[in-house]
Amino acid sequence: GNSVTQMEGPVTLSEEAFLTINCTYTATGYPSLFWYVQYPGEGLQLLLKATKADDKGSNKGFEATYRKETTSFHLEKGSVQVSDSAVYFCALLPMDSSYKLIFGSGTRLLVRP
Amino acid sequence: EAGVTQFPSHSVIEKGQTVTLRCDPISGHDNLYWYRRVMGKEIKFLLHFVKESKQDESGMPNNRFLAERTGGTYSTLKVQPAELEDSGVYFCASSLVGTATYGYTFGSGTRLTVV
Repeated sequence: GNSVTQMEGPVTLSEEAFLTINCTYTATGYPSLFWYVQYPGEGLQLLLKATKADDKGSNKGFEATYRKETTSFHLEKGSVQVSDSAVYFCALLPMDSSYKLIFGSGTRLLVRP
Repeated sequence: EAGVTQFPSHSVIEKGQTVTLRCDPISGHDNLYWYRRVMGKEIKFLLHFVKESKQDESGMPNNRFLAERTGGTYSTLKVQPAELEDSGVYFCASSLVGTATYGYTFGSGTRLTVV
């Protein structure tokens, strides 16, 4: 079946540190891949996405590359800020569904000043 | 434009009681989805409405859960009777078209605690 595995948190970093949050998936064919973010007190927001192999999604300084060979979609940012503190969810959209997202368990990021 | 609104934001009820969660989607969005996150685990799909019709309710855990969307506007999710394992965060999302490819707009969720 389809599934997403994320690194467990919390991840605690100092401001300006490099961030990597690992995400691997299991799915048939070529699913679309997403990162959603939930800031404190807010709803889930789409952060970035990639719809085919080798695509790179990017937004707000965050990047993730769709790696079919390693079934991964790791989230990276070169220099985190305190305002990046949030919960990050990796998700996939299977090829056989246009609307049913499959999420990982989320990774909490805490950035200290 | 106003986002997806959910209320209450928090609800604490006793086992065996009834709770109704409400979701107001973005105006004009025909597609409405319910998801939930239990015990800090994965966010899981519950169901999908297109206007007032249930398109897919394959994720509903059991018949204690009833979702409605009267008139194709707001939606309610009723849990009756609530059990301890129903505790979690219930998210609602809406979209103009019935695909997640362009991303959904989610509400901030209702945190349900059953004691």
